[in-house]
Amino acid sequence: GENVEQHPSTLSVQEGDSAVIKCTYSDSASNYFPWYKQELGKRPQLIIDIRSNVGEKKDQRIAVTLNKTAKHFSLHITETQPEDSAVYFCAASSPSGTYKYIFGTGTRLKVLA
Amino acid sequence: EAGVAQSPRYKIIEKRQSVAFWCNPISGHATLYWYQQILGQGPKLLIQFQNNGVVDDSQLPKDRFSAERLKGVDSTLKIQPAKLEDSAVYLCASSLLDYLNIQYFGAGTRLSVL
Repeated sequence: GENVEQHPSTLSVQEGDSAVIKCTYSDSASNYFPWYKQELGKRPQLIIDIRSNVGEKKDQRIAVTLNKTAKHFSLHITETQPEDSAVYFCAASSPSGTYKYIFGTGTRLKVLA
Repeated sequence: EAGVAQSPRYKIIEKRQSVAFWCNPISGHATLYWYQQILGQGPKLLIQFQNNGVVDDSQLPKDRFSAERLKGVDSTLKIQPAKLEDSAVYLCASSLLDYLNIQYFGAGTRLSVL
């Protein structure tokens, strides 16, 4: 069935360094890839997304890249800050059927001051 | 705009008891989702409504879980009887019925089954 793999499961970086989280999806029909940030005890919040008609999207310190051939997409956070510490989830959505999201298992990012 | 509202925030029950969760989506959002998020895992879709009809309930354990969305607005998710493995956060999300399909999440209900 449809599957999204996410790595690493935990990531610790020094403040100011960059962080990269990678996801791989199985459904080649997937065309929308959102990234959610979830702080402890809070709701998942959309931080950036990308559609299959572009290869890269950037919003200030956050960027996402997509490689459709490899079925692989990544989240890049530059100049990390302590407030970036959270769990990050990637997801893939396919236009076939119900447009449901398949989520990755999450990455716990810790930014060390 | 107001976000997705869920209640209660926390619930503790004993196994074999029943429990219900409530969700009020963002006004105008035709699609509503219930997810189960077990500690350390990503959200897993349980059921998806479009207006008041079910479009996907393939991963809903129908022997014990039920959900409804009467009138196409609020929704309730029920578990009867609960098992230990149902301990999780139950997230509700909603989206517009458009090509963007961006999902907005509620804060969730944390269920502990003892």
